[in-house]
Amino acid sequence: QKEVEQDPGPLSVPEGAIVSLNCTYSNSAFQYFMWYRQYSRKGPELLMYTYSSGNKEDGRFTAQVDKSSKYISLFIRDSQPSDSATYLCAMSAGNQGGKLIFGQGTELSVKP
Amino acid sequence: GAVVSQHPSWVICKSGTSVKIECRSLDFQATTMFWYRQFPKQSLMLMATSNEGSKATYEQGVEKDKFLINHASLTLSTLTVTSAHPEDSSFYICSAQRALREYEQYFGPGTRLTVT
Repeated sequence: QKEVEQDPGPLSVPEGAIVSLNCTYSNSAFQYFMWYRQYSRKGPELLMYTYSSGNKEDGRFTAQVDKSSKYISLFIRDSQPSDSATYLCAMSAGNQGGKLIFGQGTELSVKP
Repeated sequence: GAVVSQHPSWVICKSGTSVKIECRSLDFQATTMFWYRQFPKQSLMLMATSNEGSKATYEQGVEKDKFLINHASLTLSTLTVTSAHPEDSSFYICSAQRALREYEQYFGPGTRLTVT
């Protein structure tokens, strides 16, 4: 079993839809949770990070962490074609020198 | 802020030659840099962690004599693929971590290596 599981998709939605991306994990020591967006042939871009449980909102993006269920989510409201990319969740226990454990990535396509 | 550059962005080399890839943090000091490899439609695979002024720590299965990493300053790390072979063709991405902000890791744009 992988430490971090993420549905690879692909996920296709119409423009304006609410998108829900999710990851589950098995290591209860994870404390830092990140979401990255990666466009084709580019490096990942940090979108959101959350420490421990709770919600965090930034514009159209909301990150949620439920440590009791070992489940994190990223919601994208009013999705745009420019949101089409691969979204990677990443996690860290905070005691491994910054080493991140990545999910497989979910490929999202937002159709105009 | 938090910009990381990589050079070159794309390189083609012949089998048996060596290739050096540079990773620079442009507007912050990075105590730790990471090197990843990514195959098409797959997630990032951590190859090694480098700390400024010390030897890199390689992940299991990564040949340290083949993938030489140097982190000579707080803004520059290099990855040298020695005696490259076609199976080394891949997308190599570095990331840089800000001092005392372990959760903030910023990625470079990546380098596409093709070995012929």
